Amino acid sequence: RKEVEQDPGPFNVPEGATVAFNCTYSNSASQSFFWYRQDCRKEPKLLMSVYSSGNEDGRFTAQLNRASQYISLLIRDSKLSDSATYLCVVNGAESNTGKLIFGQGTTLQVKP
Amino acid sequence: SAVISQKPSRDICQRGTSLTIQCQVDSQVTMMFWYRQQPGQSLTLIATANQGSEATYESGFVIDKFPISRPNLTFSTLTVSNMSPEDSSIYLCSVANRATGELFFGEGSRLTVL
Repeated sequence: RKEVEQDPGPFNVPEGATVAFNCTYSNSASQSFFWYRQDCRKEPKLLMSVYSSGNEDGRFTAQLNRASQYISLLIRDSKLSDSATYLCVVNGAESNTGKLIFGQGTTLQVKP
Repeated sequence: SAVISQKPSRDICQRGTSLTIQCQVDSQVTMMFWYRQQPGQSLTLIATANQGSEATYESGFVIDKFPISRPNLTFSTLTVSNMSPEDSSIYLCSVANRATGELFFGEGSRLTVL
């Protein structure tokens, strides 16, 4: 079983749609969770951290379910500029040592 | 946040040669991380570069193939030795915010081995 698993997609959605990405992780000791965004031929950049209580940043909502070891990202009112690969990322240790485990990414294509 | 500069940004190399990638950070950091992203794949941690001690390698990566230097708190190099086409990949340098765990990445070095 992969340490971090995501549906690779691609997800093809029209502008304005709501889309949800899911991710599961295997290490129950993980303490930090993130969603990164990677544009084509660019380095990954942090989209948002994922907190136990869930968190929202504009059109983006992230949720964490520790019991199920499950993370989600919801994007509302999709924009063309949201087209990218979204990486679910989990720290691989019990502290913030920087050893992050990356999922394979979910590709989103928003169409006019 | 941290500003990370990598070079070269891209290179095309012949099989059997070696390439050294440099990473410069605009602030002092204890640990620097080297990741690899193969075509169509996600990121895989190669090793953690520690200042003043040997790098710590992840399973599947060895020092002879990927020697790392860390001469000071703002600089590191990764060498890809005796390259083969399977080493064609993007190599990314990163540092972590210890408070939040967030990783900051350099722009990557895109390596093509013929």
